[in-house]
Amino acid sequence: QVQLVQSGAEVKKPGASVKVSCKASGYTFTSYDINWVRQATGQGLEWMGWMNPNSGNTGYAQKFQGRVTMTRNTSISTAYMELSSLRSEDTAVYYCARGPRYYYYDSIIWGQIDPWGQGTLVTVSS
Amino acid sequence: SYVLTQPPSVSVAPGQTARITCGGNNIGSKSVHWYQQKPGQAPILVVYDDSDRPSGIPERLSGSSSGNTATLTISRVEAGDEADYYCQVWDSSSDHPVFGTGTKVTVL
Repeated sequence: QVQLVQSGAEVKKPGASVKVSCKASGYTFTSYDINWVRQATGQGLEWMGWMNPNSGNTGYAQKFQGRVTMTRNTSISTAYMELSSLRSEDTAVYYCARGPRYYYYDSIIWGQIDPWGQGTLVTVSS
Repeated sequence: SYVLTQPPSVSVAPGQTARITCGGNNIGSKSVHWYQQKPGQAPILVVYDDSDRPSGIPERLSGSSSGNTATLTISRVEAGDEADYYCQVWDSSSDHPVFGTGTKVTVL
């Protein structure tokens, strides 16, 4: 079955960087976008950016421009999200999720953002 | 940028019907998706493309969209429906997803 499995919880000091991984299985990794969404405790879902795992093209939310980098290793079907210059407000659960664009030859087929990884808690504290 | 507005909370008695609205400018022209999130869990897709259900999602959950409002309806509410619900569309002008503010459904 289609599954996204994320790396474990992290504790970082202010000013440091964190890199979260998201390993895909059950489908062709390079055929679907990967999105990253975060959620602070008691808050809603906040979109951070997307990546096309085939081309490496990315699109980042303006709020995170300059601080976030999304990359991938296609040989192990894994996407990465690195966030730098961490501050306490970055404490949140970070999710990766597949879709909604599916790349089929020269076509783009629009689907949904589904499924989601299990989430990675990143705590920023001195 | 595109904004989706949901009521913060909806309370409903077991067996009754819960309706969760999602307001956005001309949302009826976009594909609306709904996610359910229970405490400590990742969101799961419960309705896509306004009114379709993924396999395994009960028929009690249904969606509709027209004009400036999309609606998720939960019929014959059960205790297990207690969760946060988020609507989502894709903003083509900025090429990214937009999530609603979220609605907490409480089963009385």
